[in-house]
Amino acid sequence: DIQMTQSPSTLSASVGDRVTITCRASQSISSWLAWYQQKPGKAPKLLIYKASSLESGVPSRFSGSGSGTEFTLTISSLQPDDFATYYCQQYNSCPWTFGQGTKVEIK
Amino acid sequence: QVQLVESGGGVVQPGRSLRLSCAASGFTFSSYGMHWVRQAPGKGLEWVAVISYDGSNKYYADSVKGRFTISRDNSKNTLYLQMNSLRAEDTAVYYCAKDKGVGYCTGGVCYYFDYWGQGTLVTVSS
Repeated sequence: DIQMTQSPSTLSASVGDRVTITCRASQSISSWLAWYQQKPGKAPKLLIYKASSLESGVPSRFSGSGSGTEFTLTISSLQPDDFATYYCQQYNSCPWTFGQGTKVEIK
Repeated sequence: QVQLVESGGGVVQPGRSLRLSCAASGFTFSSYGMHWVRQAPGKGLEWVAVISYDGSNKYYADSVKGRFTISRDNSKNTLYLQMNSLRAEDTAVYYCAKDKGVGYCTGGVCYYFDYWGQGTLVTVSS
């Protein structure tokens, strides 16, 4: 199975900050990576697919980059609605696997 | 718009069974693969099972293989998860999720999950 590792586990930031979350795969997954946002008590929401493609309706302050084994999710200017937990997911092969999550907290 | 509504969760004793359902609407259900993903309290996301658009292909996480069965009824636009021999570690919110594709990896290509339901809580406890 492909292991996905996110860092940091928790991130404290202020509104307006630029935030970067890293995701590493245990083997190359090309660009087959998605990012999801989850708020407490809610279902995950797709933000990014194919490492850097923005899902329709997602604000342009979200961006993704990377390929192979190293990926990043960047929020260019953190907004109050962005405080949540973010997960990366590989879909290069079955079983689909997720990172452990990064919680973005208010500083 | 796409809607996925899970039901069937509850409190069940270890060793017993439970069946979850996921009612789908707003898209052509019979054209897409469907997944179950779970999240233990305070923990991350764990993929559980997938079924292809026509039900012919099914894959499971090792943690549930032999105990859980995924199925679908395309005439009813409904996805199911039959959970047998439940254990305390199966306690979680169970989400159904729509695959962007047919639900199995073909030609070296799998797909991500573009819509999720709101989840249903399963608690395994005596």
